[in-house]
Amino acid sequence: SQQGEEDPQALSIQEGENATMNCSYKTSINNLQWYRQNSGRGLVHLILIRSNEREKHSGRLRVTLDTSKKSSSLLITASRAADTASYFCATALTRAGTALIFGKGTTLSVSS
Amino acid sequence: DGGITQSPKYLFRKEGQNVTLSCEQNLNHDAMYWYRQDPGQGLRLIYYSQIVNDFQKGDIAEGYSVSREKKESFPLTVTSAQKNPTAFYLCASKGTPAGENYEQYFGPGTRLTVT
Repeated sequence: SQQGEEDPQALSIQEGENATMNCSYKTSINNLQWYRQNSGRGLVHLILIRSNEREKHSGRLRVTLDTSKKSSSLLITASRAADTASYFCATALTRAGTALIFGKGTTLSVSS
Repeated sequence: DGGITQSPKYLFRKEGQNVTLSCEQNLNHDAMYWYRQDPGQGLRLIYYSQIVNDFQKGDIAEGYSVSREKKESFPLTVTSAQKNPTAFYLCASKGTPAGENYEQYFGPGTRLTVT
């Protein structure tokens, strides 16, 4: 069951620009997480935002969560070529340790 | 990829053969997960285990089997009953079953090709 849907599917920007990716989901969640995947590699956790939080920052990352609209956004500021990767949102439905439900991802390409 | 190893990185098998993918973690995590990723797609959950000697089916468990005899190990067997086994397989672990805010740590993945 695909819970999250990222938008856009693909994004191409120049170094130094900001990149914004959006995620929409269908059911109530406990928390929402963003992961990054370099081509052919495993996923790396970037940031987690709880359902009672509205915004969170980590370095050049800024995540917002709007539970009324069931949506989240990930902003990467001052993008670098090394940010080129696929980005996935994942939702945790309950606190009881159930597995995450991943979206299909946004592929970000940053050119120098 | 720290703390979780998957082997081999690439695996080739003939149709009709069972194959077992290895996943080992040294993070002392209770929960472990297997996902399948197809090109341009997100991750789909195959099986997960919250504690030793216990596991549950995910969304696409048909044609797969797992075991969890040790905390560190969660091998996945792709059986001949799996209709379309060629995919990228990812293993992950998480701190505690009840840790609702714990991130998942992923292995580097195994790319399985069945011909």
